[in-house]
Amino acid sequence: EVQLVQSGAEVKEPGESLKISCKGSGYSFRTYWIGWVRQMPGKGLEWMGFIFPGDSATTYSPSFQGQVTISADKSINTAYLQWSSLKASDTAIYYCARVYSGSSFDTFDIWGQGTVVTASS
Amino acid sequence: QSALTQPASVSGSPGQSITISCTGTSSDVGGYNYVSWYQQHPGKAPKLVIYDVSKRPSGVSIHFSGSKSGNTASLTISGLQAEDEADYYCCSYAGSSTVVFGGGTKLTVL
Repeated sequence: EVQLVQSGAEVKEPGESLKISCKGSGYSFRTYWIGWVRQMPGKGLEWMGFIFPGDSATTYSPSFQGQVTISADKSINTAYLQWSSLKASDTAIYYCARVYSGSSFDTFDIWGQGTVVTASS
Repeated sequence: QSALTQPASVSGSPGQSITISCTGTSSDVGGYNYVSWYQQHPGKAPKLVIYDVSKRPSGVSIHFSGSKSGNTASLTISGLQAEDEADYYCCSYAGSSTVVFGGGTKLTVL
């Protein structure tokens, strides 16, 4: 079964660092782009960026450039999203999703279950 | 890179058809035939229901269809069923390996 499994919920204080993960299985992880999507409480979906695990090429949304870092370790089929210093406004659900190879970047065919991140003092 | 414009809510009765619009610009929706639609039930991850403007992934009901005219894409759901009640998001390629989502539309089945 093709799937993306994300790491569990996190509760951190503002200013702390955090790295969440997204592990792919059932397909050739290194040959598909992975996207990260934010959903703030009660709000819509926002694209954050992409990574190609095969060579770690990345693209960021201007809204998130410099705010987060996207990386991947193709040897363990895992993509990451990290913050060096969390803000309260980073509280959200974060989804990773696979980009369908038969179309363009907008087509996310497989989604992770989401990771809830809470940044609160 | 502004979010695509969707109506906040639409509603319909079982068996009826509804259409959700998604308006962008010539730099995204109007510039490419790469628009996708996602269904999201409460507490769940989004699910792809339409891609490349009008293509349906395997396993998605035939009562979902998509189209595009100019800078506006549309999702039509015919023969509304109770389980179609969800939030729907459009997404468009916007060039240079970037994408943009719509603000989302809450569909209520009366």
